[in-house]
Amino acid sequence: GQNIDQPTEMTATEGAIVQINCTYQTSGFNGLFWYQQHAGEAPTFLSYNVLDGLEEKGRFSSFLSRSKGYSYLLLKELQMKDSASYLCAVTDSNYQLIWGAGTKLIIKP
Amino acid sequence: ETGVTQTPRHLVMGMTNKKSLKCEQHLGHNAMYWYKQSAKKPLELMFVYNFKEQTENNSVPSRFSPECPNSSHLFLHLHTLQPEDSALYLCASSQTGTSGGYNEQFFGPGTRLTVL
Repeated sequence: GQNIDQPTEMTATEGAIVQINCTYQTSGFNGLFWYQQHAGEAPTFLSYNVLDGLEEKGRFSSFLSRSKGYSYLLLKELQMKDSASYLCAVTDSNYQLIWGAGTKLIIKP
Repeated sequence: ETGVTQTPRHLVMGMTNKKSLKCEQHLGHNAMYWYKQSAKKPLELMFVYNFKEQTENNSVPSRFSPECPNSSHLFLHLHTLQPEDSALYLCASSQTGTSGGYNEQFFGPGTRLTVL
């Protein structure tokens, strides 16, 4: 079956760095997305990786290793507003999005 | 604002009621989606419409009935729901590529549904 694994919850300190991991087993691969979802709000797009390597976008970076079925989202200089759930999703060979359950990130002062 | 709106934002209904959820996208996209989001579970894709044609129906019970009158509007009609159907229902849209690939999805704020 198809599966996306990510930690359920993580805690980090304001100003620090946190890495949220995502591993996947899917039938084919056509890209990996990271979304951010604040409580009670819509998920919003953060990043997209289809080739191996690191994509940097301001304080957020996303890494992909297709051979390992692995990605991570790196958040630097954490701010309180970064407290949210982070969703990993993979597009399979049928271009269907397979979603992880999300990682709830708690930022403490 | 993501360009995708949903109404109502909150809905409480009894098991014998009939209600409808509405979604509208202002992005000119050609694909629209209904998702169910339950606590601590992955997003569950329910229905996909591509160019107004339903292309996916992921074994959703018949008490959920989608309708897509045009590429900008999507409805989810609800009847005789069960308490376990209580969840956040999210609508999304995207622009599909010529290769059939799906690009980034834009989500609405969701409807928080409670079935009593």
